Amino acid sequence: AQSVTQPDIHITVSEGASLELRCNYSYGATPYLFWYVQSPGQGLQLLLKYFSGDTLVQGIKGFEAEFKRSQSSFNLRKPSVHWSDAAEYFCAVENRGGKLIFGQGTELSVKP
Amino acid sequence: GAVVSQHPSRVICKSGTSVKIECRSLDFQATTMFWYRQFPKQSLMLMATSNEGSKATYEQGVEKDKFLINHASLTLSTLTVTSAHPEDSSFYICSARASGGWGSEQYFGPGTRLTVT
Repeated sequence: AQSVTQPDIHITVSEGASLELRCNYSYGATPYLFWYVQSPGQGLQLLLKYFSGDTLVQGIKGFEAEFKRSQSSFNLRKPSVHWSDAAEYFCAVENRGGKLIFGQGTELSVKP
Repeated sequence: GAVVSQHPSRVICKSGTSVKIECRSLDFQATTMFWYRQFPKQSLMLMATSNEGSKATYEQGVEKDKFLINHASLTLSTLTVTSAHPEDSSFYICSARASGGWGSEQYFGPGTRLTVT
């Protein structure tokens, strides 16, 4: 069955520190992978996506993610976190029916 | 571009009444719209997929008679929660996709907070 796992429910990092949010997927074929960010009480904003090609994907707001097929992972990274990055982050895989399957989400808190 | 709106953003209704939530694609035509439900501190769960002019496809466990979805035009889909009960209180989010192709980006609305008293 297709699934997405985000092992970390909550992460706290200091402002200016680097960030890595983990995402593992289970999918039988080459996946379409996404990272979304959700601010409190808001909808989702797409940070980046991977369809094919270069396994290191650049997104908005200084985020990047690396697709590693051998590890079934698509971890999100940012070299220097800003206080405004505090939010909920969702990893998702799109199945052949065009439906998004979301991970459980990781809540990011940023310490001053 | 690619803006999706939802109305209302918040609604409080009494148990037993029905509530309609609108989802509009403002600057593109959406062949497919999706409705999600999100409980506090949890992920988004897909409720149903709607294609313009056809009946919605509901996910397993979602009551289609309770959550009525109408995708009447290429820019508007509505979700009606009928005979709402407190357990229907949740955050409802819609998304819209311009084409039917796999991998086409979904654009999300800002969500509607439903509280049933």
